[in-house]
Amino acid sequence: ETGVTQTPRHLVMGMTNKKSLKCEQHLGHNAMYWYKQSAKKPLELMFVYSLEERVENNSVPSRFSPECPNSSHLFLHLHTLQPEDSALYLCASSHGPQGSYEQYFGPGTRLTVT
Amino acid sequence: AQKITQTQPGMFVQEKEAVTLDCTYDTSDQSYGLFWYKQPSSGEMIFLIYQGSYDEQNATEGRYSLNFQKARKSANLVISASQLGDSAMYFCAMREGQGGSNYKLTFGKGTLLTVNP
Repeated sequence: ETGVTQTPRHLVMGMTNKKSLKCEQHLGHNAMYWYKQSAKKPLELMFVYSLEERVENNSVPSRFSPECPNSSHLFLHLHTLQPEDSALYLCASSHGPQGSYEQYFGPGTRLTVT
Repeated sequence: AQKITQTQPGMFVQEKEAVTLDCTYDTSDQSYGLFWYKQPSSGEMIFLIYQGSYDEQNATEGRYSLNFQKARKSANLVISASQLGDSAMYFCAMREGQGGSNYKLTFGKGTLLTVNP
């Protein structure tokens, strides 16, 4: 595997379910990010981890819970979601949170909440 | 006020022709960076090109070039010799400031480019 991978690619869940999104980066980066992309809205930054420490929680509801066990893996745990949470969830990584480093994105998980 | 403005929701171009995608930005920082990403229908965001605010020359990467006009606060993407595979959404993004908080990228709403054969 190369780059940034995300699983699953598609997820349909009910409002009472609990599920997790997984992201893995194979680039040796030490910063990882979760973004939400809703229809007709700009990408929204949700969480940032640098060296496995959360450095940003962008006013995200507590029904989204991130976990970063090491610099290569990032999870987004989901519970009691709302229909408006349906979106494309993108993971990204970069060499560091600072500087001009570009962020490399995964293919995303298309989430539908029913 | 929006920090990144992409005024073209959609653009059409003939194959092999050049196209310019517009991006204007708003910041009071002296140090910032501008990025362009491509998002095909598959969903993945692909990094294309970067321009730092202190870079004196316009960035180029293969068929992509960035027309950076600092005084006008514009960072337009120019794609030369368009190919059918260039059909995608294109996002302009900005990173502001220095130090520990400059990891944030602010994205525009995007431009959908369609390349016609």
